[in-house]
Amino acid sequence: GNSVTQMEGPVTLSEEAFLTINCTYTATGYPSLFWYVQYPGEGLQLLLKATKADDKGSNKGFEATYRKETTSFHLEKGSVQVSDSAVYFCALCDNYGQNFVFGPGTRLSVLP
Amino acid sequence: DAGVIQSPRHEVTEMGQEVTLRCKPISGHDYLFWYRQTMMRGLELLIYFNNNVPIDDSGMPEDRFSAKMPNASFSTLKIQPSEPRDSAVYFCASSSPARAHVEQYFGPGTRLTVT
Repeated sequence: GNSVTQMEGPVTLSEEAFLTINCTYTATGYPSLFWYVQYPGEGLQLLLKATKADDKGSNKGFEATYRKETTSFHLEKGSVQVSDSAVYFCALCDNYGQNFVFGPGTRLSVLP
Repeated sequence: DAGVIQSPRHEVTEMGQEVTLRCKPISGHDYLFWYRQTMMRGLELLIYFNNNVPIDDSGMPEDRFSAKMPNASFSTLKIQPSEPRDSAVYFCASSSPARAHVEQYFGPGTRLTVT
């Protein structure tokens, strides 16, 4: 079945540091890939997505590229802020919006 | 758009009581999902509906849990009787793959505490 593996953290960075959170997946066919963010006390929010190979999703300074050859969708940001402190989830689904699978989440803490 | 609406936001109840959680999906979305989130187990899919019909309830932990979707704009998750191990945050999410919205939109969650 489909699965998602991501670094579990926690990850602690200083403000303005570079961020990478690794995500790899196992799936049949060509899934859609997502990063969700969960701020304390809130629900999950879609951060970015990519629906086909080599697509780059981007939002709020975050980026991730759909790499079919390495089955990866790593999340990056060039300069993190304290307000980026949250839990980040990598996820995938098939092209019918079914078989949605979430990774375990990575907690990010950014220190001033 | 109001987004996914859940009520109540917080629920505290005693063991053995019945608990009902409510969800209103985004208008026009034809998929609805119920999740449970705990520190120990992370995010777990409990059940999902398509066009008000339950498609996969294999994640429902036990017969004490039941979910219904009587119409396109309302769903409930019921726990009867509740137990302390049911304490968690319960999320509802909706999506609309037919309208190219395969991503799920989450509600703010209901924090359930069973004492």
